[in-house]
Amino acid sequence: DTAVSQTPKYLVTQMGNDKSIKCEQNLGHDTMYWYKQDSKKFLKIMFSYNNKELIINETVPNRFSPKSPDKAHLNLHINSLELGDSAVYFCASSHRTGDYTFGSGTRLTVV
Amino acid sequence: AQRVTQPEKLLSVFKGAPVELKCNYSYSGSPELFWYVQYSRQRLQLLLRHISRESIKGFTADLNKGETSFHLKKPFAQEEDSAMYYCALSNAGNMLTFGGGTRLMVKP
Repeated sequence: DTAVSQTPKYLVTQMGNDKSIKCEQNLGHDTMYWYKQDSKKFLKIMFSYNNKELIINETVPNRFSPKSPDKAHLNLHINSLELGDSAVYFCASSHRTGDYTFGSGTRLTVV
Repeated sequence: AQRVTQPEKLLSVFKGAPVELKCNYSYSGSPELFWYVQYSRQRLQLLLRHISRESIKGFTADLNKGETSFHLKKPFAQEEDSAMYYCALSNAGNMLTFGGGTRLMVKP
């Protein structure tokens, strides 16, 4: 059983398209996150979300939006994709401070 | 604002040599620090946390508040230690801020 699963693993799409990446966790964690890993392997927090609060990194463009239908899911919607959005996106969840469980990542390529 | 700095992008050592991956942080509160590891084609996973004071896979890390450092050490590197290593700091809101990562290459 995969604790944090993301789909799809790979996503190739054209500029201007709208796409979604799904994330599900079966750990019963309260908080979920999205991180972006760029080509230089730098990891940057995009969103943190629990059933009470959404925290958005102010540097994230508003073309990116998280959607959480329930506590076990946090999907990432991206509108009007740009070349610079190409990266690996990681979903994670946590219950205890700093102890994150990460998904295997979604490699997004915008052409 | 909190910040985590890993000054080395790449660290290359021979098998059996000691290894130290450097991490410095800045944070106004009481820090909680972690090391995460990402092996090739695998997901990022927690290696160790400073409050546990544990040794995982032979790695240890000591929090030095005076020097604001949390360096990761292993006395004898193994080839299977080759990976990306990320130092991370957790704030009061349980959000992890990661350093830029250090790629460790252990040569035979």
